[in-house]
Amino acid sequence: AQSVTQPDIHITVSEGASLELRCNYSYGATPYLFWYVQSPGQGLQLLLKYFSGDTLVQGIKGFEAEFKRSQSSFNLRKPSVHWSDAAEYFCAVVLYNTDKLIFGTGTRLQVFP
Amino acid sequence: GAGVSQSPSNKVTEKGKDVELRCDPISGHTALYWYRQRLGQGLEFLIYFQGNSAPDKSGLPSDRFSAERTGESVSTLTIQRTQQEDSAVYLCASSPEGTGLRDEQYFGPGTRLTVT
Repeated sequence: AQSVTQPDIHITVSEGASLELRCNYSYGATPYLFWYVQSPGQGLQLLLKYFSGDTLVQGIKGFEAEFKRSQSSFNLRKPSVHWSDAAEYFCAVVLYNTDKLIFGTGTRLQVFP
Repeated sequence: GAGVSQSPSNKVTEKGKDVELRCDPISGHTALYWYRQRLGQGLEFLIYFQGNSAPDKSGLPSDRFSAERTGESVSTLTIQRTQQEDSAVYLCASSPEGTGLRDEQYFGPGTRLTVT
C-alpha cells in the first residue's frame, strides 16, 4: 500500500544539538515531498518542499531536507536546534497528477535547555 | 494579510447531535481542503474544492459527513449524528491554485471537536 512513514513518534534533544527527523515513502514513482511543522496552538506551516532537481533543499527556520531515491527517504535536518523548534513535524507527499496531500503520523520534537 | 480562519476553535457536543464547522480561506485562493487529525495521528484528507469543479469527496469517512463551499469563499463542514469517534481536530487549508503539486497549502488553526 502507498504510504508515508515517520518511524519516530517522539524525539527529545538538547538545545544546540543537531536534529534529524526521518521520513520514508512507499510509492512506485517519485512523489512530491513536503515537511510541515505544527506548533502548539498554531496551524501547520510549510518548512520546505521537493519537486525535482537538487536533492538537498533548504527551508525556513534553518531546516533542510535531503531526498534519497535509493532509500525512498526525505529526512529533515537542522544543525543546531533552538527551544522554539519544539513542535510536531509532519512529512507529506503528493502523488503526481493528484491533488491530495498524504501525511505521515508526525514526530513530536521536545527540546531541553 | 489575513490567513485561513476557522470557527469555532473548540466545540463540545453530545453524541447524536449535528455540528457545523466553518472555514474562511485566504481571499483569492481557489482551492480549499478539509482534513481530520485524530489524537496522535497524522492528517486525514476529507474533501477538496477547486473553483467551480465538483468537489473531491473521496476522503469523507461516511455519509454523515458533508461539506459545502460558496463560490471561492467560505466552506462549511457538517457532521450529522455525531459519534465519539468523530472527536478530532478538523483542519482547513487553502491554496492559490488547484493542486498541491506546486502550491503551498495554508492551514487554519483548526476546530477541536469533542463528542461526549
